[in-house]
Amino acid sequence: EDQVTQSPEALRLQEGESSSLNCSYTVSGLRGLFWYRQDPGKGPEFLFTLYSAGEEKEKERLKATLTKKESFLHITAPKPEDSATYLCAVQALGGSQGNLIFGKGTKLSVKP
Amino acid sequence: GAVVSQHPSWVICKSGTSVKIECRSLDFQATTMFWYRQFPKQSLMLMATSNEGSKATYEQGVEKDKFLINHASLTLSTLTVTSAHPEDSSFYICSALPHRGIRGANVLTFGAGSRLTVL
Repeated sequence: EDQVTQSPEALRLQEGESSSLNCSYTVSGLRGLFWYRQDPGKGPEFLFTLYSAGEEKEKERLKATLTKKESFLHITAPKPEDSATYLCAVQALGGSQGNLIFGKGTKLSVKP
Repeated sequence: GAVVSQHPSWVICKSGTSVKIECRSLDFQATTMFWYRQFPKQSLMLMATSNEGSKATYEQGVEKDKFLINHASLTLSTLTVTSAHPEDSSFYICSALPHRGIRGANVLTFGAGSRLTVL
């Protein structure tokens, strides 16, 4: 069964304290792995897509990496505005493009 | 960039009544839209795929007679929760795939969601 597990469930950081969020996945065949950011009461906002092991993508203070079993979202020198829930999702080969399997997310709080 | 709009953002209704949620693609046409549901502290789960001009495709365990989906135009899909009960209270989010040529193409773009509370 295709599955996505994110850890930790919640993460509290001081402003400027770098850390990483983990996304472990099992899927019959990976078409793509996605990272989204979700603010309270809002829909997910797209951050990155990764397609193959070894791939990395960066955007401002965020960097996403991918291996055959997991993905990491590295946050460098976070700011309070980075506080949100970060969602990881996979799309399986053979599945429809709209069928993403999501993890439960990591709730990040960054204190000034 | 691609924008998906949902309305209403929140709704409260009495048990037994029906509620309609609208999902619009604002700057692109979407032949297919997707409806997700998110319970507190749970993952987003795909409920159904909405196809313009044809019947929706429902995921296993989702009652098609309870969650009516209509995709009458290339920019509008509606989800109607019929005879709603408290256990239907959830966050309903629609999404669409912008086509090639639109910023954000081939990336599932989500609406802001609709919070349904059934009393």
